[in-house]
Amino acid sequence: EVQLVESGGGLVQPGGSLRLSCAASGFTFSNYDMHWVRQATGKGLEWVSLIGSAGDTYYANSVKGRFTISRENAKNSLYLQMNNLRAGDTAVYYCARVRYFGSGSYYFDYWGQGTLVTVSS
Amino acid sequence: NFMLTQPHSVSESPGKTVTISCTGSSGSIASNYVQWYQQRPGSAPTTVIFEDNQRPSGVPDRFSGSIDRSSNSASLTISGLKTEDEADYYCQSFDSTNVVFGGGTKLTVL
Repeated sequence: EVQLVESGGGLVQPGGSLRLSCAASGFTFSNYDMHWVRQATGKGLEWVSLIGSAGDTYYANSVKGRFTISRENAKNSLYLQMNNLRAGDTAVYYCARVRYFGSGSYYFDYWGQGTLVTVSS
Repeated sequence: NFMLTQPHSVSESPGKTVTISCTGSSGSIASNYVQWYQQRPGSAPTTVIFEDNQRPSGVPDRFSGSIDRSSNSASLTISGLKTEDEADYYCQSFDSTNVVFGGGTKLTVL
């Protein structure tokens, strides 16, 4: 059974840092691209970042230069290092696995339960 | 930047059919595939449609997706509405390597 379990969320002051983790199990983690998607309370889904199975990384403009996505295949783990946090980064952060279908397109087939990050003084 | 626009909310009665639209801001929505996700309160999203009109295993055929090039929009249609379909629905596509979500539509089944 595929499982994604996020951890590391919490309360942090503006300008502070936090590192989120996502522990994966039930599949060969190294073979899959992985994403972070966030959702502010009562708001919609917002894509944050992607790391490919080869280690290539991509970021939403809203977090570029402040967030760093990484993975440790030996530990079946995905990470999101968040620096210089702002109030607008307050959200539930989900890690998600993708499933490809034809010509490079994909959908999110498994999601974690999310971890809440609150940026407030 | 490419954006997807959805109605904020829709409502319909059990047993009826409802359609949720997702309109692309520029270019052709048909240039990239559209996916649809269902999110019930307190839960992570789940996929109901991928590749414009394909259902993952386990999703009932009451859920269907389509693309209308003339209006540059995608649609999710749910027929035979059940109270359990009450949820938020999000469309999703791509802008180069970035993932784009619509703002979400709250479906009320009353």
